[in-house]
Amino acid sequence: DAEITQSPRHKITETGRQVTLACHQTWNHNNMFWYRQDLGHGLRLIHYSYGVHDTNKGEVSDGYSVSRSNTEDLPLTLESAASSQTSVYFCASSPGTGREQYFGPGTRLTVT
Amino acid sequence: GEDVEQSLFLSVREGDSSVINCTYTDSSSTYLYWYKQEPGAGLQLLTYIFSNMDMKQDQRLTVLLNKKDKHLSLRIADTQTGDSAIYFCAESNTGGFKTIFGAGTRLFVKA
Repeated sequence: DAEITQSPRHKITETGRQVTLACHQTWNHNNMFWYRQDLGHGLRLIHYSYGVHDTNKGEVSDGYSVSRSNTEDLPLTLESAASSQTSVYFCASSPGTGREQYFGPGTRLTVT
Repeated sequence: GEDVEQSLFLSVREGDSSVINCTYTDSSSTYLYWYKQEPGAGLQLLTYIFSNMDMKQDQRLTVLLNKKDKHLSLRIADTQTGDSAIYFCAESNTGGFKTIFGAGTRLFVKA
């Protein structure tokens, strides 16, 4: 069955370190998204991609970057982790613009 | 900009019906979604409705859409303890680049 996976599921890192969260989907979807989920803020869009070599900033993109070198993967990099980036991160993919999204299980990141 | 609002909490007794409400602002919405999030998991698509529909029924789930008032509701019949979760309302349109999610309604089901 097609799926979307994230790794690691839990990560603890120190302030200032670079961290990369992996996202891999096997649906062959062109559209992929990264969100963070925090109490009181719901889901906030960090970055999204509509295809290979396409990346776009979402509403909370400062301090994050993504790259899309193939259809299956959209890794999220925190260039220099900050305590404000402690959160649960969700990756999602979608078969088309505005269509339903399929979410990964999430990565809980703690920055100490 | 576009916004989606939901109440934060709902508590019901097992066996009763649950109704979760949502309002949105984008009059050009094409799709309206309900997602379910269980503890420690990602969001899972429950059901969706096209904006040209008034109602959609899927087993215990009934979605009602009032496009004039931009109001969406999800009714869960015969609510079970396994329905305890956070329910997110979301809207999108085919011309837009993203889906707008509400903050989620936490449903508590009392045995």
